[in-house]
Amino acid sequence: GAGVSQSPRYKVAKRGQDVALRCDPISGHVSLFWYQQALGQGPEFLTYFQNEAQLDKSGLPSDRFFAERPEGSVSTLKIQRTQQEDSAVYLCASSLRWQGASSGANVLTFGAGSRLTVL
Amino acid sequence: AQKITQTQPGMFVQEKEAVTLDCTYDTSDPSYGLFWYKQPSSGEMIFLIYQGSYDQQNATEGRYSLNFQKARKSANLVISASQLGDSAMYFCAMRGNAGKSTFGDGTTLTVKP
Repeated sequence: GAGVSQSPRYKVAKRGQDVALRCDPISGHVSLFWYQQALGQGPEFLTYFQNEAQLDKSGLPSDRFFAERPEGSVSTLKIQRTQQEDSAVYLCASSLRWQGASSGANVLTFGAGSRLTVL
Repeated sequence: AQKITQTQPGMFVQEKEAVTLDCTYDTSDPSYGLFWYKQPSSGEMIFLIYQGSYDQQNATEGRYSLNFQKARKSANLVISASQLGDSAMYFCAMRGNAGKSTFGDGTTLTVKP
């Protein structure tokens, strides 16, 4: 597609519910990132895929968070048993694979984000 | 490990003046890229400018330039001729060999008329 598409844009969940957030990256983009952004803060890294392989999940806050990208395109971030502290905007970004330092193709393109509110 | 530090939580600039937003970074990767993004109140992340660690010249994109000082590990963003529409949050980020990208905490820029 023309851009990175995220759905839903807004999600309200009751504490304890499970949620699933979807990211559809730019066609041909190998790298896919998930970030969590609290109000007024910078994006915090959650996890990173290259094709279907999850290369880094060091930023996932707990075992309630799980991400997958089974066919190397669409990715889903799942949060089980949501807590109030999970309320944030979840940003997805995609790019070509790392091209070496001098390549501007390393730029990440972001989706509009999914705003999760846990009551 | 990668780390980005933005020490200015908020900055003010008069319309049509230039402003510099500070960014320092830390990494053990010999090869990396540095980015600046703009995030207006609407929330979208807009790419502004990119600098590769081996690039000899500072990157420029229209009114944006990146003052890259490798020995100091700094990558400051300079915005010339500020406009009211430049009011937003600005993030410095880096991407290393492993592909992972790390962001700073951001600087809120307010342009005064």
